[in-house]
Amino acid sequence: DAGVTQSPTHLIKTRGQQVTLRCSPKSGHDTVSWYQQALGQGPQFIFQYYEEEERQRGNFPDRFSGHQFPNYSSELNVNALLLGDSALYLCASSTRTGGTTDTQYFGPGTRLTVL
Amino acid sequence: AQSVTQLGSHVSVSEGALVLLRCNYSSSVPPYLFWYVQYPNQGLQLLLKYTSAATLVKGINGFEAEFKKSETSFHLTKPSAHMSDAAEYFCAVNTNAGKSTFGDGTTLTVKP
Repeated sequence: DAGVTQSPTHLIKTRGQQVTLRCSPKSGHDTVSWYQQALGQGPQFIFQYYEEEERQRGNFPDRFSGHQFPNYSSELNVNALLLGDSALYLCASSTRTGGTTDTQYFGPGTRLTVL
Repeated sequence: AQSVTQLGSHVSVSEGALVLLRCNYSSSVPPYLFWYVQYPNQGLQLLLKYTSAATLVKGINGFEAEFKKSETSFHLTKPSAHMSDAAEYFCAVNTNAGKSTFGDGTTLTVKP
């Protein structure tokens, strides 16, 4: 059973560019959440997708957008990259029950470096 | 709003010694709490979770955590540290619909 997969593993971009990160959820999961983990910090919630719609959003600007496809995979897009966007981007998948007991399973992350 | 606080950004123990990583939570509703481990340049691996079924929760790799409502704590312990336990540990609380709020993490160092 494949777990959560993310691509690419590493990415280097320059300021002002745009980036797309990809995530495939664990088999049987229908909900995908994205987190940003800056160096030395805990993950910060960006947003969550369920049934191809953004359901929840953290305190991130509109430069951060996403998409979920019918097969439950997801993309995270970041426009107009800033140096401060350099971080490990984690994707987590779960089965949505609508409550707080949902257990999330994390992928290995994509390391984004903005120069 | 629900939140967690991890006390001690760095913990160092000798191999074979007790591991104690502290986590306190703040929640207006019964919390669902998690501990994750992160090895260098990797994602998060679920160690254990508390979902109100039992206050003492056993996880993988010999770790366990006890939920204490009176102390609003969910500390992670392991009786005997192994070199392979050296990693970053995160405590997290679930808010609505599976969104997690994480602590700042505790780096565990294990000395030979």
